[in-house]
Amino acid sequence: GEDVEQSLFLSVREGDSSVINCTYTDSSSTYLYWYKQEPGAGLQLLTYIFSNMDMKQDQRLTVLLNKKDKHLSLRIADTQTGDSAIYFCAESHNAGNMLTFGGGTRLMVKP
Amino acid sequence: DAGVIQSPRHEVTEMGQEVTLRCKPISGHNSLFWYRQTMMRGLELLIYFNNNVPIDDSGMPEDRFSAKMPNASFSTLKIQPSEPRDSAVYFCASRPRQGLSEQYFGPGTRLTVT
Repeated sequence: GEDVEQSLFLSVREGDSSVINCTYTDSSSTYLYWYKQEPGAGLQLLTYIFSNMDMKQDQRLTVLLNKKDKHLSLRIADTQTGDSAIYFCAESHNAGNMLTFGGGTRLMVKP
Repeated sequence: DAGVIQSPRHEVTEMGQEVTLRCKPISGHNSLFWYRQTMMRGLELLIYFNNNVPIDDSGMPEDRFSAKMPNASFSTLKIQPSEPRDSAVYFCASRPRQGLSEQYFGPGTRLTVT
């Protein structure tokens, strides 16, 4: 079955760039997503990328996709304390009906 | 728009009791998803509905769990009888239409079974 893996924890200083990595196993993945979860809240979609793209940029967020290596990354430029949260990578291969989530990466931003 | 609404936000119950979690999707959305989040297993899809019809319930842990969607604006997830291992945060999410990927999550219900 599908598997999505992420590192558990990342700590950065305010103003630095953060890079959160994700690997997946399903070669038929069509969409890959990044969600953000703040304490006590549900998941919020940050961005997503189609599998036929290799990069997508949205303000401070840059998503890179290496389809050959099945590797996805999220770069947050000029990381702020408000970016502290858990970030989930997810994939789907059937138009978004079934999302398979990674375990989440906790990002801590130090002032 | 109020977003996806879940109730209650917190539920504490004793083992063996029936628990009912409620969800109101965003108006006009026609897909609804129930997820469970635990430290050990992460985020798991339990069941999802398209146009009020259950499409895939393969993630429902066992017969003690059941979900219904009697109309487009309401869904319930019921656990009967509840067990301590059911303690988790349960999320409901809705999506505008089939083929569109974004799911909008509710704030979750934190369930504690003692």
